[in-house]
Amino acid sequence: GIQVEQSPPDLILQEGANSTLRCNFSDSVNNLQWFHQNPWGQLINLFYIPSGTKQNGRLSATTVATERYSLLYISSSQTTDSGVYFCAVNDYKLSFGAGTTVTVRA
Amino acid sequence: SQTIHQWPATLVQPVGSPLSLECTVEGTSNPNLYWYRQAAGRGLQLLFYSVGIGQISSEVPQNLSASRPQDRQFILSSKKLLLSDSGFYLCAWSYRSGTEAFFGQGTRLTVV
Repeated sequence: GIQVEQSPPDLILQEGANSTLRCNFSDSVNNLQWFHQNPWGQLINLFYIPSGTKQNGRLSATTVATERYSLLYISSSQTTDSGVYFCAVNDYKLSFGAGTTVTVRA
Repeated sequence: SQTIHQWPATLVQPVGSPLSLECTVEGTSNPNLYWYRQAAGRGLQLLFYSVGIGQISSEVPQNLSASRPQDRQFILSSKKLLLSDSGFYLCAWSYRSGTEAFFGQGTRLTVV
């Protein structure tokens, strides 16, 4: 199956800082999603982004499918952005990376 | 619109007891369905996925089984729970392979 690697594994930010999370995948895919897992464990859909760039408020994502990576940008981070961010690719099943744990300090 | 229901939200079970977790999807037909487990502080591990009624694929040999008795119902079971079965179990659905997936609220299982 497809291997998904996320970096960095942990990220500590000061409130207001910007950051970039990376997701690499081992084979070509037609689909990629970014999720945020909140403190209660719920997985929140952030982006469905097989290719190109999307923006939603302070978050944006870019996927370059031909080079097998995706980036998630967090701008002007807030404490509510804390949690674990996962990328996942969906070929015939959903395969997740190990996640990036983001801690935003006030 | 489509919604996914998963219950119960939390469960504490003794070692050796049976388990049944249920997941249902509303507002769509013939979805792909998935069961994931997340151990504390770790990533998501795919346990089972199903592309149709009676079609179950297992990813990891384990003490668990899954069934899909109806089109939009996915059940995770165990005959005898082990301590290592503790974790956070998440059900998910997608229209088909390669489309956006959506997750339920999860069940936090503690085996004591």
